[in-house]
This record gives sequence, C-alpha cells and structure tokens, in this order.
Amino acid sequence: QSALTQPPSASGSPGQSVTISCTGTSSDVGGYNYVSWYQQHPGKAPKLMIYDVSKRPSGVPDRFSGSKSGNTASLTVSGLQAEDEADYYCSSYAGNYNFEVFGGGTKLTVL
Amino acid sequence: EVQLVQSGAEVKKPGESLRISCKGSGYSFTNYWINWVRQIPGKGLEWMGRIDPSDSYINYSPSFQGHVTISADKSISTAYLQWSSLKASDTAIYYCARSEQQPGLGVWGQGTTVTVSS
Repeated sequence: QSALTQPPSASGSPGQSVTISCTGTSSDVGGYNYVSWYQQHPGKAPKLMIYDVSKRPSGVPDRFSGSKSGNTASLTVSGLQAEDEADYYCSSYAGNYNFEVFGGGTKLTVL
Repeated sequence: EVQLVQSGAEVKKPGESLRISCKGSGYSFTNYWINWVRQIPGKGLEWMGRIDPSDSYINYSPSFQGHVTISADKSISTAYLQWSSLKASDTAIYYCARSEQQPGLGVWGQGTTVTVSS
C-alpha cells in the first residue's frame, strides 16, 4: 500500500483538461510544500513535471500545473494531447528518511 | 548534457551479491544528491535512499535500511547500490536520480533491470 493515494486511472479527450488527485496526511502532503509529479511512459524512466507543488522545470509545457489544498495535491493537464498518455506519480517529502514518498500512480488515457 | 548512465541488466541467483552503478556526467557530481528508486514490474515507484557524494552522507528509507547499501566514489562520479544476498523479491528496475537538497528528482538514469531467479 502506497503512502499517498491516487486514483488508478483518469481519462480525457484531446483538448480537454483532466485533474489527478494525490491525498496524503499532515505528515507529508499537508506538512510541506514539497509535492512533485512525475510522468512515466511505458519502458521509460520517470520525468519530473512539477516540483515544490506548482513549479515547472525548464522544458515542461505550461499545460501542466500543480496545486495543493490541505492534505491533497492535484495535477492538472490542460489541452490534452496524445503524448500526455502515460502514468503519473505524485510524491511528497515526509522527512529525511522519507525523502520522496510516492503515490501508487495514475494511468492517464487520452481518448 | 547532464546525464546519469546506469550499468546494464543483471541476472542473478538468490543468495548472490550484486552492485549496480550510476555515473554522472555534465555537472559537478558533488553538488547534487543521488537517489535510488525501485520499481517492481507493473508496480509503482519506491524511494530507497539517497547519498550526498561530497561526504557520502546517506539517508535510507526505513523500508530498505539493512537490505541494501548505498555508496559513492566522487573521484569517478559514480554512485552504487549493492546487495550482499539477493532474494527473488529484489527483482525490479532500479533507477538512480539526481536531486538538490530539497525534493524533486530532476534527472534520472535509464534504469537497471535486476532479475533474481533460481
């Protein structure tokens, strides 16, 4: 059982927006502004899409955005494109011995 | 170009030892932590631990403490993950990933597949 809870699947049509949730506790998501989101295509290494709740690394399209309210973080993908179809994992800092606590992952399908 | 290049796939028997590597290039190796992440086939990501190559200070996840050893050799910009006695349950893909002091794994290696089978 993962420490953070994500829905197993999400879907949307091209051009639409989809939001993926990530629920933790006050010891992780709610306690720190250190939520990250990773995209993983089949057979590939994960890629950092969002860090520090809402910051985008250089090169990540602004269609990807992150937010947090209380113990729940969210990733929103706007203007869905076919290449956005992938698994998405959230993670949160929960102390130095739980530097990155991951969610179970959400499979995003672009219909 | 900033890169982490991992060693190749391994097939081992239960009880054998193993060390896999992760070589950094294109940046100052001692300025960033190296993290190790496990992914069991078809499953999610699990953070195992991290090392500061500048002084080899290590944080282990409680889930992996005592089961693996993380080390680094800053002279050759390489981090390692090792097992003294593998189990079938260690079968997984292992990724190394770079981070700063704060969370966010910004650069990832390509992954090393470890298969443990009798």
